Amino acid sequence: SAVISQKPSRDICQRGTSLTIQCQVDSQVTMMFWYRQQPGQSLTLIATANQGSEATYESGFVIDKFPISRPNLTFSTLTVSNMSPEDSSIYLCSVSPGTVIHEQYFGPGTRLTVT
Amino acid sequence: DQQVKQNSPSLSVQEGRISILNCDYTNSMFDYFLWYKKYPAEGPTFLISISSIKDKNEDGRFTVFLNKSAKHLSLHIVPSQPGDSAVYFCAASRTGTASKLTFGTGTRLQVTL
Repeated sequence: SAVISQKPSRDICQRGTSLTIQCQVDSQVTMMFWYRQQPGQSLTLIATANQGSEATYESGFVIDKFPISRPNLTFSTLTVSNMSPEDSSIYLCSVSPGTVIHEQYFGPGTRLTVT
Repeated sequence: DQQVKQNSPSLSVQEGRISILNCDYTNSMFDYFLWYKKYPAEGPTFLISISSIKDKNEDGRFTVFLNKSAKHLSLHIVPSQPGDSAVYFCAASRTGTASKLTFGTGTRLQVTL
């Protein structure tokens, strides 16, 4: 499986500010995804990061709030914009190497607290 | 609309015994199911998966059973070990949806000595 790193691992931010989370994979992967896990909740897919084109967002998530970049096959960023306390969550990136398309491997996550 | 449900938020099992974690789904279009384990402050780790064309898949101490008619799957861990203590998520996906996973709410497993 791919080795995935995320930066930062955690952060405490003030409301109204933005935070960019980086996700780096040690090999080229076809699919990259961003998830959110709110306290005590399940993992919810935010968007699929597409290389060279705009991300595909799930219902309830919009590009203005969660802009995503994917400049190449090993790297992606997620920005959480104009943050409010409701954005306090763990944000996780995952990859699907493509050999068994349904399986995804996750990074360690970024724990975000908005005050 | 919670399409994948894990109705037991927690489970406690003695070391050496069998742990059985359950998962139900409502969307009959799901055709691939996965189990993940998550330790605190780490991302979920893939454990085992099963395609809807099978009813059982085994990998070492872990076995997943799928009952399509009941829209139910279960993960059996035998024998349970203290290192298995974690939160377990089941997830489901549908062929043709670009690997999108829908996760359950998780079950916290505590394996006691």
